[in-house]
Amino acid sequence: AQTVTQSQPEMSVQEAETVTLSCTYDTSESNYYLFWYKQPPSRQMILVIRQEAYKQQNATENRFSVNFQKAAKSFSLKISDSQLGDTAMYFCAFMKHGVTTDSWGKLQFGAGTQVVVTP
Amino acid sequence: KAGVTQTPRYLIKTRGQQVTLSCSPISGHRSVSWYQQTPGQGLQFLFEYFSETQRNKGNFPGRFSGRQFSNSRSEMNVSTLELGDSALYLCASSLMGGSADTQYFGPGTRLTVL
Repeated sequence: AQTVTQSQPEMSVQEAETVTLSCTYDTSESNYYLFWYKQPPSRQMILVIRQEAYKQQNATENRFSVNFQKAAKSFSLKISDSQLGDTAMYFCAFMKHGVTTDSWGKLQFGAGTQVVVTP
Repeated sequence: KAGVTQTPRYLIKTRGQQVTLSCSPISGHRSVSWYQQTPGQGLQFLFEYFSETQRNKGNFPGRFSGRQFSNSRSEMNVSTLELGDSALYLCASSLMGGSADTQYFGPGTRLTVL
């Protein structure tokens, strides 16, 4: 079974500053996908960024980038130039890659980190 | 393209009743996954449907069930509601449900059980 751990319940950052959210996971799988989703107060879950485990290169999406350390099973998210609209709960998620039924459609989420961006 | 839609957005039920929630996926998406979100347990996977078949199921009691129609729309049903079923129920759609597919979430249905 896989577990996803987010050890920071809440983080505060000022506008234009940078914040890094941590995520560790435990799996015996060699091939999998990792995701960061954000959930603003509207509760609409939005994909921020995704990383394929077999790709060495860290994914980047505009102001969002990840630091993927496969051996350490770590997947942190860096938000640069923080904006007020980045205020949200951020969830790290894992999906196993495979053809067996227990991999289909199942995201496993961490507990989330509440990010508050202040003026 | 229209996003994932869920109806109703809010529901209030009493213990012992049953409830049906609906999810319409993005056009062309054939996989629908359901999640329960509570403050205590976080986000938990309920089940996933593809081509009208349940392919994967989380650790929930049999009171939680679902189905998928030929147009990929999905419903989930909770029978004999308990107070602990109060939650935000999210559905997500993807092309095929595989790990390479991105899941797109709906706005959720907020269920309150009194």
